[in-house]
Amino acid sequence: DAKTTQPNSMESNEEEPVHLPCNHSTISGTDYIHWYRQLPSQGPEYVIHGLTSNVNNRMASLAIAEDRKSSTLILHRATLRDAAVYYCILREGGSTLGRLYFGRGTQLTVWP
Amino acid sequence: ETGVTQSPTHLIKTRGQQVTLRCSSQSGHNTVSWYQQALGQGPQFIFQYYREEENGRGNFPPRFSGLQFPNYSSELNVNALELDDSALYLCASSFRRLQETQYFGPGTRLLVL
Repeated sequence: DAKTTQPNSMESNEEEPVHLPCNHSTISGTDYIHWYRQLPSQGPEYVIHGLTSNVNNRMASLAIAEDRKSSTLILHRATLRDAAVYYCILREGGSTLGRLYFGRGTQLTVWP
Repeated sequence: ETGVTQSPTHLIKTRGQQVTLRCSSQSGHNTVSWYQQALGQGPQFIFQYYREEENGRGNFPPRFSGLQFPNYSSELNVNALELDDSALYLCASSFRRLQETQYFGPGTRLLVL
């Protein structure tokens, strides 16, 4: 699976938008971009995923660059509960093998 | 709907012992994946079970083995424990399909002394 690069840490103030970047310059045409997050003392939880077009759900938005070599997870209004490690993961499009390759992710700190 | 549960929550073993960790899948899911998460690292894929058969394995030695039962619950067994096996062990259940979402349990914290 292709690798991703994320900043080690980011900070935000409560109720402000947060843009979490991810670089994946070796992404293949069939790789999907997934985001999971891990709150303290919990297992990871799914956030969002996409292929080419920008995606929105109740938790976040995913903006994918036109060349697909980078993407950004957008939290529109950060809350204290959003403080977590965020993982950007690439998954092969044609595979049903549920292997998620986690890097070290981005530790997001949210200040009140 | 019941989420993914794991037992025990914490465990202390000594080097050379064997350990069994358990996972109950979310209702309706037929696939279980196991991950090992060392302190400060992201989870690392151990293996996946689908319909009671191993369906892919990460870079872990054979002393890491597993089972999936007809009710789709699962066990992770680790023989001959080593100090480096100390970690959080996570189980994730899913319904097998393309780009499926995995639902993780809270994990079992294993300490090997």
